[in-house]
Amino acid sequence: RKEVEQDPGPFNVPEGATVAFNCTYSNSASQSFFWYRQDCRKEPKLLMSVYSSGNEDGRFTAQLNRASQYISLLIRDSKLSDSATYLCVVNLGGYQKVTFGIGTKLQVIP
Amino acid sequence: SQTIHQWPATLVQPVGSPLSLECTVEGTSNPNLYWYRQAAGRGLQLLFYSVGIGQISSEVPQNLSASRPQDRQFILSSKKLLLSDSGFYLCAWSGVVTEAFFGQGTRLTVV
Repeated sequence: RKEVEQDPGPFNVPEGATVAFNCTYSNSASQSFFWYRQDCRKEPKLLMSVYSSGNEDGRFTAQLNRASQYISLLIRDSKLSDSATYLCVVNLGGYQKVTFGIGTKLQVIP
Repeated sequence: SQTIHQWPATLVQPVGSPLSLECTVEGTSNPNLYWYRQAAGRGLQLLFYSVGIGQISSEVPQNLSASRPQDRQFILSSKKLLLSDSGFYLCAWSGVVTEAFFGQGTRLTVV
């Protein structure tokens, strides 16, 4: 089983739609969780951290379910500028590596 | 504040030539350091990561190597490049439970 699994997509959605991505992780001892955004031919950049209590930043909501070992990202009212690849990231902590999922490609269509 | 520098931004090298990509981090100590490669349209592939000076873990066997001669310096090398080594190479650092911070990447084309 992969350490971090994501559906690679692509997800093609119309402007204004709500889209949700899920990601599962295999190590129950994982310490911290993040969503990154990567635009074509650019480095990944942090979108938001993910907390057990859930967190929201504008149109973006991230949630963590430790019992089921998955994290989610919800994007409301999709914009054309949201088109990108969204990467799920898990940090095991200490001297363990940060692990990235393969990324989910989102294409918002006019 | 912490910064990460990676250079060069683009590189065109002939097959069989050597490679050296350098990455340095400022503003933090004892970071975890990473080298990733991303082929066109594909996900990130972790090549190497390091938790301290001289400590390198290799994730994928290949003709690349990495070294960490100083706490905040990470170098990716090859003695002889192959066509298949072309890609987007990214250096990153992370703290104990923090997110990863990326350099701007090096786009390598082997011709």
